[in-house]
Amino acid sequence: QSVLTQPPSLSGTPGQRVTISCSGTSSNIGSFTVNWYQQLPGKAPKLLMYGNNQRPSGVPDRFSGSKSGTSTSLAINGLQSDDEADYYCVAWDDSLNGVVFGGGTKLTVL
Amino acid sequence: EVQLLESGGGLVQPGGSLRLSCAASGTSFTSFAMTWVRQAPGKGLEWVSAISARGDDTYYADSVKGRFTISRDNFKNIVFLQMNSLRGDDTAVYYCAQDRFGRPTGRYGLGWFDHWGQGTLATVST
Repeated sequence: QSVLTQPPSLSGTPGQRVTISCSGTSSNIGSFTVNWYQQLPGKAPKLLMYGNNQRPSGVPDRFSGSKSGTSTSLAINGLQSDDEADYYCVAWDDSLNGVVFGGGTKLTVL
Repeated sequence: EVQLLESGGGLVQPGGSLRLSCAASGTSFTSFAMTWVRQAPGKGLEWVSAISARGDDTYYADSVKGRFTISRDNFKNIVFLQMNSLRGDDTAVYYCAQDRFGRPTGRYGLGWFDHWGQGTLATVST
């Protein structure tokens, strides 16, 4: 069981907006910023969002992040077929004194 | 361009040891904490261990504490993961990643991984 909780799977159609949720506790998401990673099939993970809602250079503005209390979410607007991937939320946990991951959400574009 | 290249994976029997290496290039290696993340076959990502930029602080997941040791050579730009007392559930692709900060920092902590390697597979089996 992962410390951060994500839905195992989501699906959407091209052009749709989807939102991936991630919930934690006061020792992780409640106190620290959240980062999101995208892992395309057979590839290494890639940084998608840092500091809750900041996009690295090269990440389209279709991707956005938000945080409220001990929950966070990643939204994808205008869903495209190459968004089909696994998505992970990550944060520091000062109770565990380590990094914690969500279990990952497999996004399918129908 | 930052490049991280892992090596050292392979097949080992339960109870055995492996030493993974991650060689970094194109980066100010001594400025950043380094992390190991693993992914068991068909499973999600799991954080394993991290080491501060200067190597004076180390952090471990409970699942590997007492069995794995992270270290770094800041002259050769390499981070290591010594894995002892290996078990079947340690079978995974092991990725190294470079953090944005040198140590847990303010509201960011650690976990902002700018760069990732391609991974090395460690298989624990008879």
